[in-house]
Amino acid sequence: NAGVTQTPKFQVLKTGQSMTLQCAQDMNHNSMYWYRQDPGMGLRLIYYSASEGTTDKGEVPNGYNVSRLNKREFSLRLESAAPSQTSVYFCASSETANSGNTIYFGEGSWLTVV
Amino acid sequence: QQQVKQSPQSLIVQKGGISIINCAYENTAFDYFPWYQQFPGKGPALLIAIRPDVSEKKEGRFTISFNKSAKQFSLHIMDSQPGDSATYFCAASRYGNKLVFGAGTILRVKS
Repeated sequence: NAGVTQTPKFQVLKTGQSMTLQCAQDMNHNSMYWYRQDPGMGLRLIYYSASEGTTDKGEVPNGYNVSRLNKREFSLRLESAAPSQTSVYFCASSETANSGNTIYFGEGSWLTVV
Repeated sequence: QQQVKQSPQSLIVQKGGISIINCAYENTAFDYFPWYQQFPGKGPALLIAIRPDVSEKKEGRFTISFNKSAKQFSLHIMDSQPGDSATYFCAASRYGNKLVFGAGTILRVKS
């Protein structure tokens, strides 16, 4: 079972470039999330999708957009990358958006903006 | 401001010893408190979790202690092993299943 799959694993961008991080889950989960991980700050929620057709902002949404393409896929787009967006990005999913539903994470995408 | 404060930042424990990581939260609306374990190059994975209606939960060598009145919870790893060396995150969530994470604790178990 693949679980949550993210692509690409590594990416280097120049300031101002755009890119999309792709995420897909094969667990038939309704809810999907994008987090970023920075040293000393834990993981912070960027955007989430409680169910197909809905998206909402998390704690740190500025500079990002998301698309819930279908039940399986949830993409994160950086329209004009900035060095402050250098981070490790994790996609995650859970069966529902009810508190306490186990959240399963992908293996991460390492993004460097120079 | 950080809603979940975690300490210590790093911890070194001898093999067979007890590892203790502490977290404190502010929002009394939180109703679910998981601990995640992360190995280098991997995503976090759920280790153990607790609801605020119980004071302790044990799964194998891992125990969560929860103090609702103090708004604190902790992870105890008994008989710590080198394979437990990882980064541990406490977290909390409420409606919407949106986890708020602590800053993480890097645990190293010396053999």
